[in-house]
Amino acid sequence: DTGVSQDPRHKITKRGQNVTFRCDPISEHNRLYWYRQTLGQGPEFLTYFQNEAQLEKSRLLSDRFSAERPKGSFSTLEIQRTEQGDSAMYLCASSLERVFYEQYFGPGTRLTVT
Amino acid sequence: AQTVTQSQPEMSVQEAETVTLSCTYDTSESDYYLFWYKQPPSRQMILVIRQEAYKQQNATENRFSVNFQKAAKSFSLKISDSQLGDAAMYFCAYFIGTGNQFYFGTGTSLTVIP
Repeated sequence: DTGVSQDPRHKITKRGQNVTFRCDPISEHNRLYWYRQTLGQGPEFLTYFQNEAQLEKSRLLSDRFSAERPKGSFSTLEIQRTEQGDSAMYLCASSLERVFYEQYFGPGTRLTVT
Repeated sequence: AQTVTQSQPEMSVQEAETVTLSCTYDTSESDYYLFWYKQPPSRQMILVIRQEAYKQQNATENRFSVNFQKAAKSFSLKISDSQLGDAAMYFCAYFIGTGNQFYFGTGTSLTVIP
């Protein structure tokens, strides 16, 4: 396994458009996390899944954001009606439940909203 | 509130020398984990070292070691024999199981001077 992958790596969109990002975790990892990282800041937690269940969401995750992990494998993060403030790096991480604190991060998707 | 403070936005070190990056955190939890992550210019976060709060012994990983002072809520990273490949942004983070999320600092950009 080559680690956590994310697609696309870069996305430029116009304000008001919808975007969707994909994350493929390490295959045996049943926990999957989404973070947002703005320039000059550390990652901020958005949400996490255990298998297909979304167990926690940050208050940062407005109703324009939705995340799914339909079969407990890959996950998607959708942002509807994008705003310029959504411009950031979106990071995905995965871990095993029994070693939940050891998260392996993907390369991220850089979103630019124009 | 859960916070992580990295007071050194930028640090530099001569190749082969030793550098220490500082981190303080604030939590009311007694059981948590502390981490240092490295984020090279390619942007993929890599785990450098982990410390369990219940362990008194400081963690070490090859050239990387930590100074964990639980009472002072301090968690510094020492890099010995610095190499050019150590140049990156370093994030201090902690993880509490009850919240199942990481709290990251704002990072320290480390430059290694040949």
